Amino acid sequence: ETGVTQTPRHLVMGMTNKKSLKCEQHLGHNAMYWYKQSAKKPLELMFVYNFKEQTENNSVPSRFSPECPNSSHLFLHLHTLQPEDSALYLCASSQRTGAVPVTEAFFGQGTRLTVV
Amino acid sequence: SQKIEQNSEALNIQEGKTATLTCNYTNYSPAYLQWYRQDPGRGPVFLLLIRENEKEKRKERLKVTFDTTLKQSLFHITASQPADSATYLCALVAYSSASKIIFGSGTRLSIRP
Repeated sequence: ETGVTQTPRHLVMGMTNKKSLKCEQHLGHNAMYWYKQSAKKPLELMFVYNFKEQTENNSVPSRFSPECPNSSHLFLHLHTLQPEDSALYLCASSQRTGAVPVTEAFFGQGTRLTVV
Repeated sequence: SQKIEQNSEALNIQEGKTATLTCNYTNYSPAYLQWYRQDPGRGPVFLLLIRENEKEKRKERLKVTFDTTLKQSLFHITASQPADSATYLCALVAYSSASKIIFGSGTRLSIRP
């Protein structure tokens, strides 16, 4: 295992449901990320948190709401999703040192989300 | 517009040969180029990083080159094995967005015995 744990591994939800994805990293990193991976498309960066502060939001619809209560935990709250939101959602963490660009990311196994 | 392109969606080669994967980028000034491996149903796993001032980096059977003039990185697996079959992702981190890792769409590599 990579030290980044995501739950649940699989999730099926209706368009009117509210659910949350959870990510926990055991690596002592100070940056965490949410990515979306759809078939035949590149990994899409959704959100970046540095030291619990959101530093990037890549024009993600408001039906996706991230939360980072501490450096080890990251949530993605989902509500009123659309079928096209079905994808693999990946969490990652990395260690940032000041303004030095991030060197590598450690990914969880992902949550396979299906919206029906 | 900014793009990261991995030219081949899929690559099939014979076991024992060298696999060469290509990554090109436009309108970025990368600080680093990274390569990851992703197996089906799993998250990507970091393999190698090369800095803008480095030409080549090696790790066991893996070699990465970085040409900032051509805006290209090549990823080589020598003496390929069926266990090397996976999707390989190129990613970059730009100075202008130092906390963001931007990925290409990947190349699915298949090594046949």
